[in-house]
Amino acid sequence: DTEVTQTPKHLVMGMTNKKSLKCEQHMGHRAMYWYKQKAKKPPELMFVYSYEKLSINESVPSRFSPECPNSSLLNLHLHALQPEDSALYLCASSQERSGNSYEQYFGPGTRLTVT
Amino acid sequence: AQKVTQAQTEISVVEKEDVTLDCVYETRDTTYYLFWYKQPPSGELVFLIRRNSFDEQNEISGRYSWNFQKSTSSFNFTITASQVVDSAVYFCAFRPRGATNKLIFGTGTLLAVQP
Repeated sequence: DTEVTQTPKHLVMGMTNKKSLKCEQHMGHRAMYWYKQKAKKPPELMFVYSYEKLSINESVPSRFSPECPNSSLLNLHLHALQPEDSALYLCASSQERSGNSYEQYFGPGTRLTVT
Repeated sequence: AQKVTQAQTEISVVEKEDVTLDCVYETRDTTYYLFWYKQPPSGELVFLIRRNSFDEQNEISGRYSWNFQKSTSSFNFTITASQVVDSAVYFCAFRPRGATNKLIFGTGTLLAVQP
């Protein structure tokens, strides 16, 4: 089973709201990712967790706060977002072994609209 | 600098035509990995193939085939007898060997298959 699930599928939030995006995988993968994708653009990496530790933060504004409670779950906490943060947020996971590269499996994404 | 170029922004074909999507990458690394992903209108990125730089064998999977040529730094993707369900954005991606998990995506090619 190569499934990554994400909830919610759609989210509309105001600029003063606090919300969270959730991602789950049961493939035993130890690397998990958050990407942001604007229309007609490739995905942009935001964060990488490796063995539940944050290993990459691509200079993402602090209004985005990732959390990895365990090896299967990844959250993205949102607070005080701007309209330009409206995008498709994709979660992905992959195996993790130093020196090797494994394909990333993506979830269906959360379409976020900030009003 | 490492870079992936997908020069074809949009391609439109009629069902049953063959179509080739081009991908050219730039790197000075000798070990690296290449990927193709499909993103249908639903939004989820679907993994299609991973290729290691030391394995130049071409690959065929049903109607899909991939031509990896290190000499020209290209990793092209051909769909034979295209179908309407092949309509999607296709991304080529590159990852150097190393400790990071960062994929470098091309800008994507939108393939429209007309009935």
